[in-house]
Amino acid sequence: ELKVEQNPLFLSMQEGKNYTIYCNYSTTSDRLYWYRQDPGKSLESLFVLLSNGAVKQEGRLMASLDTKARLSTLHITAAVHDLSATYFCAGLFGNEKLTFGTGTRLTIIP
Amino acid sequence: KAGVTQTPRYLIKTRGQQVTLSCSPISGHRSVSWYQQTPGQGLQFLFEYFSETQRNKGNFPGRFSGRQFSNSRSEMNVSTLELGDSALYLCASSGGTSGGRGWETQYFGPGTRLLVL
Repeated sequence: ELKVEQNPLFLSMQEGKNYTIYCNYSTTSDRLYWYRQDPGKSLESLFVLLSNGAVKQEGRLMASLDTKARLSTLHITAAVHDLSATYFCAGLFGNEKLTFGTGTRLTIIP
Repeated sequence: KAGVTQTPRYLIKTRGQQVTLSCSPISGHRSVSWYQQTPGQGLQFLFEYFSETQRNKGNFPGRFSGRQFSNSRSEMNVSTLELGDSALYLCASSGGTSGGRGWETQYFGPGTRLLVL
């Protein structure tokens, strides 16, 4: 069974700084997703990574996938307050059951 | 294109009661999945329906059931509610493809927040 672990669970960072959220998964994942959730809201799709070496960027967020290391990263560049949210990675394995990580609650401090 | 809609948005029930939640997927989407989100357990997969058939099921007791109609709308039912069923229930839709693989992205609805007293 696929297990997905994220770290850190909580992250406070200053505006303008860079940081990375890590997502490790236990078995081969056919694809890896990143979602964002604002407090009290639903999940918003950010990226889907389909193959080894895949890199996708949107604004200040960049996601990458290393299937050999079973690792995906979400890199935040020059953080701004609007990026404060909880970020989830999720793996899709074989039977198409999305397995979510624990989430990383990101707080950007002015 | 309208997004995924869920009704009701909020619900308060007492232990032992049952509840039915509804989800309307994005037009044209044939796959609907349900998730439970709690502070303690995080996001957990309940089940997935495709073309009126349950295609995948998570590790939840039989009190949790669902169905999908010919128009792809889906309902989930929880019988004999327990306090621990208090959660945000999220529905997600995707295009889905017959035979299994092929999802690109799941689009989530706003959720139904269920409180069991």
